[in-house]
Amino acid sequence: GENVEQHPSTLSVQEGDSAVIKCTYSDSASNYFPWYKQELGKGPQLIIDIRSNVGEKKDQRIAVTLNKTAKHFSLHITETQPEDSAVYFCAAIMEYGNKLVFGAGTILRVKS
Amino acid sequence: EAEVAQSPRYKITEKSQAVAFWCDPISGHATLYWYRQILGQGPELLVQFQDESVVDDSQLPKDRFSAERLKGVDSTLKIQPAELGDSAMYLCASSLNRGRETQYFGPGTRLLVL
Repeated sequence: GENVEQHPSTLSVQEGDSAVIKCTYSDSASNYFPWYKQELGKGPQLIIDIRSNVGEKKDQRIAVTLNKTAKHFSLHITETQPEDSAVYFCAAIMEYGNKLVFGAGTILRVKS
Repeated sequence: EAEVAQSPRYKITEKSQAVAFWCDPISGHATLYWYRQILGQGPELLVQFQDESVVDDSQLPKDRFSAERLKGVDSTLKIQPAELGDSAMYLCASSLNRGRETQYFGPGTRLLVL
């Protein structure tokens, strides 16, 4: 089955700096990779996703890169703001397996 | 903006009691998921429905957990009897269909078993 590893487990950055979170996955057939942000006491909210036919996707201050050969993908947040502080989860899914497998999460703290 | 609804938001119960959680997915979403999230970990899938049919319940502890989606719309997840180790956040999500579709999560039900 699919396994997703996520690093680092905690990340502290100064406001305005960039933050990078990395994930690796085990199943080469995986082809959909979403990132979720979870604030305290709330459900995960999708912030960006990427499918295996592209290598990079950007949405304002957030970008995701995918390296299918190495089986890893990364989340990049630029110009971090205090409201970016939350837990971030990466996930992976196979096209027909339909099971979204999550990483263990990264606690991001943005210090002002 | 359409959202996944869940109730209750919080539930405290004693072990050996029965508990039930309710989920109303985004209108028109055929696929519904129940996840369990233990504190400090990512969500783990318990059961997946396509319309009213279960398509994956391989991780559902069937001796005490049950789930149904009778009319293919809202869903109920039940635990009977609850155990201390069931304390967790129970999340419901929905998507338009199976496969590489975006899953939208509800706010979750925080369960504490005493």
